[in-house]
Amino acid sequence: DSGVTQTPKHLITATGQRVTLRCSPRSGDLSVYWYQQSLDQGLQFLIQYYNGEERAKGNILERFSAQQFPDLHSELNLSSLELGDSALYFCASSSSERVGYNSPLHFGNGTRLTVT
Amino acid sequence: AQTVTQSQPEMSVQEAETVTLSCTYDTSENNYYLFWYKQPPSRQMILVIRQEAYKQQNATENRFSVNFQKAAKSFSLKISDSQLGDTAMYFCAFMKHATPNDMRFGAGTRLTVKP
Repeated sequence: DSGVTQTPKHLITATGQRVTLRCSPRSGDLSVYWYQQSLDQGLQFLIQYYNGEERAKGNILERFSAQQFPDLHSELNLSSLELGDSALYFCASSSSERVGYNSPLHFGNGTRLTVT
Repeated sequence: AQTVTQSQPEMSVQEAETVTLSCTYDTSENNYYLFWYKQPPSRQMILVIRQEAYKQQNATENRFSVNFQKAAKSFSLKISDSQLGDTAMYFCAFMKHATPNDMRFGAGTRLTVKP
């Protein structure tokens, strides 16, 4: 058990809808990262938050947004969903702002999103 | 941009045997970190082993070890005494020292351990 909690495990929704994915980092970790894993794109970095502030953006669509709350949990909001958004969405946390040897990424179990 | 290449989409090994998964990366950086993650059918991403680029000694974690060749930009994973529970996708990942984000992952190698 990595200590990173993601809910829900599965989500099925229709095109055009909006969903919210939730992540609680490991106790003591200040950084939260969101990744998208799809069959044809592999693991893609979406966005990072550190102690409530956005630190970096990757290949995140404008229809997607995220935030990190004072209790350090994070939410990823996906709107105007398209079929191609179907994927496994991972949250990961680390203890410091920078990933490194002593602060590797620890992943949650992911949320499987299916858009129909 | 940093890229990570895993040239073996699928591999199989007999239980108790040894298998090596390859990973190469492309970077102009001198300081960076390398990781191997395992994703079993349960889909959880599990950290297997990590290596700092400035350390020449190869990292070892129980049955898992790496062969880090910095000049060749190669970071292979060796699994000794393979067990059925090692069946999983294995991802190689690269992280620059100077950036706080954007860990790059390879496409993965699907390893099947056969009884």
